[in-house]
Amino acid sequence: GAGVSQTPSNKVTEKGKYVELRCDPISGHTALYWYRQSLGQGPEFLIYFQGTGAADDSGLPNDRFFAVRPEGSVSTLKIQRTERGDSAVYLCASSLDGVLPNEQFFGPGTRLTVL
Amino acid sequence: AQKVTQAQTEISVVEKEDVTLDCVYETRDTTYYLFWYKQPPSGELVFLIRRNSFDEQNEISGRYSWNFQKSTSSFNFTITASQVVDSAVYFCALHTGGFKTIFGAGTRLFVKA
Repeated sequence: GAGVSQTPSNKVTEKGKYVELRCDPISGHTALYWYRQSLGQGPEFLIYFQGTGAADDSGLPNDRFFAVRPEGSVSTLKIQRTERGDSAVYLCASSLDGVLPNEQFFGPGTRLTVL
Repeated sequence: AQKVTQAQTEISVVEKEDVTLDCVYETRDTTYYLFWYKQPPSGELVFLIRRNSFDEQNEISGRYSWNFQKSTSSFNFTITASQVVDSAVYFCALHTGGFKTIFGAGTRLFVKA
């Protein structure tokens, strides 16, 4: 079966622009996570969805970052007024549910470069 | 505070050597889960193991084994008879209450033929 997919794989943008990053989780997975991974670091938690609702958005660095999952499947991470410090690989992961911390299935990531 | 420390940034071994990757965690919670993930050069993280805080039994899966010691807050990972395909970055992670998983900085393992 298909794994987690993320588009685009690479995104280059200019400082101040708006970007959207998309995640398609594994079908049937109700839990969805967004992480940010900088070079040489582990994934840093951003936000968690259980179904359509953001159950924990405590990792979003500031109000320029926002994520949605309107139908409980595909999710979009939105970054407004991008800054050079936003450059990183953005990872999406899904799991069967979030009741217990199950195995997370990760996508290949979107590499965001802000010039 | 919750934290995961992987003190070894990089390890280099020759094929067939055994290698242990260290993981030390910090949490005040009594219920928590520990994970190991592998990130090969292709980039996608792959789940290896999950262990909950009430199960200190060590686990072996083929050439992989894990040693969980609550007394020292460690969850170390050993690869026996390493192979070139084991070359990757390995992450230890901690999940306590709530929905957040905290990852360590990772250990990059090079296995040379």
